[in-house]
Amino acid sequence: KAGVTQTPRYLIKTRGQQVTLSCSPISGHRSVSWYQQTPGQGLQFLFEYFSETQRNKGNFPGRFSGRQFSNSRSEMNVSTLELGDSALYLCASSSYMGQIYEQYFGPGTRLTVT
Amino acid sequence: EDQVTQSPEALRLQEGESSSLNCSYTVSGLRGLFWYRQDPGKGPEFLFTLYSAGEEKEKERLKATLTKKESFLHITAPKPEDSATYLCAVQAAGANSKLTFGKGITLSVRP
Repeated sequence: KAGVTQTPRYLIKTRGQQVTLSCSPISGHRSVSWYQQTPGQGLQFLFEYFSETQRNKGNFPGRFSGRQFSNSRSEMNVSTLELGDSALYLCASSSYMGQIYEQYFGPGTRLTVT
Repeated sequence: EDQVTQSPEALRLQEGESSSLNCSYTVSGLRGLFWYRQDPGKGPEFLFTLYSAGEEKEKERLKATLTKKESFLHITAPKPEDSATYLCAVQAAGANSKLTFGKGITLSVRP
């Protein structure tokens, strides 16, 4: 099975701009989660989508949003970019294993805000 | 609030020198504890899932164990290719697939 794919891999944006990142989950996985990884804060949960519905949200401002399509592909959007948004954005797709969701991560999108 | 603390922050070992990485956690209703390996510039790679206290899992030179308050990742006779950051995460009951991560332990194995 192909793994989780994320596009683009690298992005450079200017403060105030907006950006859209894309994630294709492992075939058959219906849950997609997004995380932000920075050297200071580590990996922090942004939100989770399941069957096109957001069912969990982390502690991030409303500038961070996402959506999921009927084929389970997901996008996240960050509006009005700030310098502090520079990070590695990771997407993870999950399958339910009877009592737990096992998450598999993509390679990430490295966002640099200047 | 769920919390995960990993120690030490960084560990340098000589090739063949076994050691353990610690992950302490507080969570309201543990559904599972995960270990991941992350190489620079890449996404985390899934290693293990542990479900209940007393459980152990092994993969090559790695062995993960779980108690009610912490997990250990034991590395036996490490090789330079084991150098990476090791991440611990917990999934709480009712949190769906959300993971709460520790800051990670950067392991460096010298030949």
